[in-house]
Amino acid sequence: AQSVSQHNHHVILSEAASLELGCNYSYGGTVNLFWYVQYPGQHLQLLLKYFSGDPLVKGIKGFEAEFIKSKFSFNLRKPSVQWSDTAEYFCAVRKTDKLIFGTGTRLQVFP
Amino acid sequence: NAGVTQTPKFRVLKTGQSMTLLCAQDMNHEYMYWYRQDPGMGLRLIHYSVGEGTTAKGEVPDGYNVSRLKKQNFLLGLESAAPSQTSVYFCAIRPGGLPTSYNSPLHFGNGTRLTVT
Repeated sequence: AQSVSQHNHHVILSEAASLELGCNYSYGGTVNLFWYVQYPGQHLQLLLKYFSGDPLVKGIKGFEAEFIKSKFSFNLRKPSVQWSDTAEYFCAVRKTDKLIFGTGTRLQVFP
Repeated sequence: NAGVTQTPKFRVLKTGQSMTLLCAQDMNHEYMYWYRQDPGMGLRLIHYSVGEGTTAKGEVPDGYNVSRLKKQNFLLGLESAAPSQTSVYFCAIRPGGLPTSYNSPLHFGNGTRLTVT
């Protein structure tokens, strides 16, 4: 079945550590890719998105993601995390009218 | 987050009871979606609508029905609630109608926490 996979379910980091969260999808053809963040007790908010062009996209709060078509991947990165980045992160793929989410990665950042 | 309003915010049902969740938007967007969020499962698409009077099934439609009689409202119904439907339900919207709207991200409501005992 077509899907979106996030292999890191729970990541624990200290402040200033670098972050990379994996996202792979299995849809063929043209897709649009997103990363959303959900802070504790809140709804999902968009971090960044990729539609076309430069495969390295920059989002809010210092996050970036790289689209590697040959690997069907769209990994999220941040060079130096902060305590305020503690949240759950969701990768999502749009194919036609549907937006399909991965299972999420819970990030905990300790001071 | 006034663009998407979900009611109620919380609800407790007994098995077999029915209820309707309302998603109301004031942004005149074409597309509306219902997701459920469960620990370890992420968000799963239940049903969605690409415009007034239209609905379509998502990934996990069983046990739910939807209606989009008015453009601004998208209703999610549970005819006979089951404990497996205990979840947090999110409504989301995005614009449509123009080629550029296809690239628009989803705008989410604050969620409805439903417990079925």
